[in-house]
Amino acid sequence: KQEVTQIPAALSVPEGENLVLNCSFTDSAIYNLQWFRQDPGKGLTSLLLIQSSQREQTSGRLNASLDKSSGRSTLYIAASQPGDSATYLCAVRGNSGGSNYKLTFGKGTLLTVNP
Amino acid sequence: AAGVIQSPRHLIKEKRETATLKCYPIPRHDTVYWYQQGPGQDPQFLISFYEKMQSDKGSIPDRFSAQQFSDYHSELNMSSLELGDSALYFCASSLGARVLRAEAFFGQGTRLTVV
Repeated sequence: KQEVTQIPAALSVPEGENLVLNCSFTDSAIYNLQWFRQDPGKGLTSLLLIQSSQREQTSGRLNASLDKSSGRSTLYIAASQPGDSATYLCAVRGNSGGSNYKLTFGKGTLLTVNP
Repeated sequence: AAGVIQSPRHLIKEKRETATLKCYPIPRHDTVYWYQQGPGQDPQFLISFYEKMQSDKGSIPDRFSAQQFSDYHSELNMSSLELGDSALYFCASSLGARVLRAEAFFGQGTRLTVV
């Protein structure tokens, strides 16, 4: 059974700092990994999608890396802003055990960027 | 661009009542997923459909049922509601088995409150 762990559970930084969020998964047989952002009580916004054959993806100030063999991904946020404050969720889409469709989520990292 | 549409956005029901949540996927997407997110929890996979057939099943209670219709929209039917069913229910869509590496897009969710 796939398990996804995100560290840290919460992070508070001053505005302007660069930061790294970590995600690890137990089963490396994945199709892809997605990073999502969730504001309190709101929906999930997809930030970046990394295919299993890729090493990283970039979108603006966000960069996500994937080391499939070691079961790890990182989300790097450059020059953080107060508007980046949200919960960041990592999810993997597996290709083992017939469960080819579902995403398995981590518990998220609650990020607070202080002005 | 069209997104995943969920209705209603908010729903209040009493214990033992029934509820129906609807999900309209992004046009041309053939796969729909349902997730339940309790307060402070990560999204938990309930069930998914590909081409109107159930493709994967997670922690969906027997009191719940779901289906995907010919126009690819999906409905989650919840009966004998319990207080513990209060949660945010997300629907996501993607291109399914034909494109297993496809990105999943989430709706804004339906907040169900059982009183």
